[in-house]
Amino acid sequence: EAAVTQSPRNKVTVTGGNVTLSCRQTNSHNYMYWYRQDTGHGLRLIHYSYGAGNLQIGDVPDGYKATRTTQEDFFLLLELASPSQTSLYFCASSDGGVSNERLFFGHGTKLSVL
Amino acid sequence: AQKVTQTQTSISVVEKTTVTMDCVYETRDSSYFLFWYKQTASGEIVFLIRQDSYKKENATVGHYSLNFQKPKSSIGLIITATQIEDSAVYFCAMRDSNYQLIWGSGTKLIIKP
Repeated sequence: EAAVTQSPRNKVTVTGGNVTLSCRQTNSHNYMYWYRQDTGHGLRLIHYSYGAGNLQIGDVPDGYKATRTTQEDFFLLLELASPSQTSLYFCASSDGGVSNERLFFGHGTKLSVL
Repeated sequence: AQKVTQTQTSISVVEKTTVTMDCVYETRDSSYFLFWYKQTASGEIVFLIRQDSYKKENATVGHYSLNFQKPKSSIGLIITATQIEDSAVYFCAMRDSNYQLIWGSGTKLIIKP
């Protein structure tokens, strides 16, 4: 079974703070994703990547940067955090990016921006 | 534009009964893929079942099955013999030629003893 590990599980920061969320997958999946989940919106795609050094923009990228340093590691960066970025963040991975591929999710990071 | 809509925000049923959760979608593609995921109380999101648009047979996995009505752009999730552990939020999602998943807003299922 694919394993996706996120850290930290919880994070509290202040407005204007600098935050990095980490994600590691151990099944050599090509695709990795960052989503945010807010009540009433379901999951919204922030950024995704199909390999080390690659970055693609998702549906809600404003205020976020991301970097895929290796096949396994994908980071989400909030350089000037705002209260609107308080959310539950999920990392996910999939193999090949084929349309019928399912996603494997991490357990989420709860971020609060005060 | 692609869109996935789940109109039921919450459903409550008695244990061991059958429940159906609705999902309708919009796409211009002739080929697409539909998914259901489950989010448990702990927040974990897991894949449940998938329907390929070109397949006429409804997908079935364990006590999960789909009611795929292509002319109505509808993909309902049916859970038979519900158990307390089925209490969760269920998300419908669609992937078409753009390759990215479009998610519904979720339906909270409450199973009562």
